[in-house]
Amino acid sequence: QKEVEQNSGPLSVPEGAIASLNCTYSDRGSQSFFWYRQYSGKSPELIMFIYSNGDKEDGRFTAQLNKASQYVSLLIRDSQPSDSATYLCAVNAGGTYKYIFGTGTRLKVLA
Amino acid sequence: KAGVTQTPRYLIKTRGQQVTLSCSPISGHRSVSWYQQTPGQGLQFLFEYFSETQRNKGNFPGRFSGRQFSNSRSEMNVSTLELGDSALYLCASSLGQGGSYEQYFGPGTRLTVT
Repeated sequence: QKEVEQNSGPLSVPEGAIASLNCTYSDRGSQSFFWYRQYSGKSPELIMFIYSNGDKEDGRFTAQLNKASQYVSLLIRDSQPSDSATYLCAVNAGGTYKYIFGTGTRLKVLA
Repeated sequence: KAGVTQTPRYLIKTRGQQVTLSCSPISGHRSVSWYQQTPGQGLQFLFEYFSETQRNKGNFPGRFSGRQFSNSRSEMNVSTLELGDSALYLCASSLGQGGSYEQYFGPGTRLTVT
């Protein structure tokens, strides 16, 4: 059973701090990795994707991928209360368009 | 560019009935995937269509079916509805080829089965 694991949280961080969200996956054939943000009652919004080992930065967001250890993380710098949401990690296997999602980590940024 | 659209946004059906949901992808996207989201199970992959063909399938019973039209619009059908089918149904579109795997979700259809 191919799985994507996330800590359900809630992860609470003070405003202005760095939030670190982690995700592990079981399928070594996974090639593409995605982070979605989902506000309560809304649909998931793609915020980062990463295909290669290393870091990828976009504004306040950094995605980190380590294929050898089978984990992907998302760092949110200068966290704001508006970042409070559930963050979903998704993985697709071997160049397919079949995605497996983690159950999400709930982030709370405290003002 | 317009985003992914889904209709209807809300549906209330009775157990045993059937339902059809519609999804229009982002212009130029040829892949449409469908997901079921429930509080207990999270986001579960139903199936993916590309160029009118089902290319990938999740582990759902045959009551769940779909199709894609030549303009890439997709429909999902659920027959003989059960109470457990109450969920948020999301579709997502992507280019579907060329090494680009990013998916973008529509707003979803919230189905309630009574």
